[in-house]
Amino acid sequence: NAGVTQTPKFQVLKTGQSMTLQCAQDMNHEYMSWYRQDPGMGLRLIHYSVGAGITDQGEVPNGYNVSRSTTEDFPLRLLSAAPSQTSVYFCASGVGRIYEQYFGPGTRLTVT
Amino acid sequence: LAKTTQPVSMDSYEGQEVNITCSHNNIATNDYITWYQQFPSQGPRFIIQGYKTKVTNEVASLFIPADRKSSTLSLPRVSLSDTAVYYCLVGESNYQLIWGAGTKLIIKP
Repeated sequence: NAGVTQTPKFQVLKTGQSMTLQCAQDMNHEYMSWYRQDPGMGLRLIHYSVGAGITDQGEVPNGYNVSRSTTEDFPLRLLSAAPSQTSVYFCASGVGRIYEQYFGPGTRLTVT
Repeated sequence: LAKTTQPVSMDSYEGQEVNITCSHNNIATNDYITWYQQFPSQGPRFIIQGYKTKVTNEVASLFIPADRKSSTLSLPRVSLSDTAVYYCLVGESNYQLIWGAGTKLIIKP
């Protein structure tokens, strides 16, 4: 099993550009989520999904969109990148929101 | 705001047992306590989860007193590779877990 995969590993964007961060899992988990982590901080939840076709906002959803068309994939879209979105982004999956979460390797995003 | 309070950092030495205590005074009846480990440039990794008393797995033990207002993660005989940030989270299935800044554990030779 590959577990949770994320692409790309690194990305540099200019202010105003849009992009999609990809996340896929092969563990048949219903629950998936996106977090951002700023230096020296804990993780902050952006969006989450409890199953295909169901998504909801987390703690810091502004500027991001998600969709969940399949159990396996949960892409995160940045609509119009801003320097404040410079961060490391982690995707995670699990059988439920409080149970063991499996995290991807992260995407390091820089917005200039 | 995170529902937990942890020390910002701790130091220990190889071969020692390390105990990291987490305070969660406002824990609710249905809340579980979960610990994660994070190495630099990696995603967090689940260590252990418990509800009450003691839970043990192959890498750690989790001690939870009867009032559940705190918990202690115990790492037996640590090595240099245990240097990481450790997060304590409290929550139940109807709500999202809130991540604090964690405890930076440094193991010295």
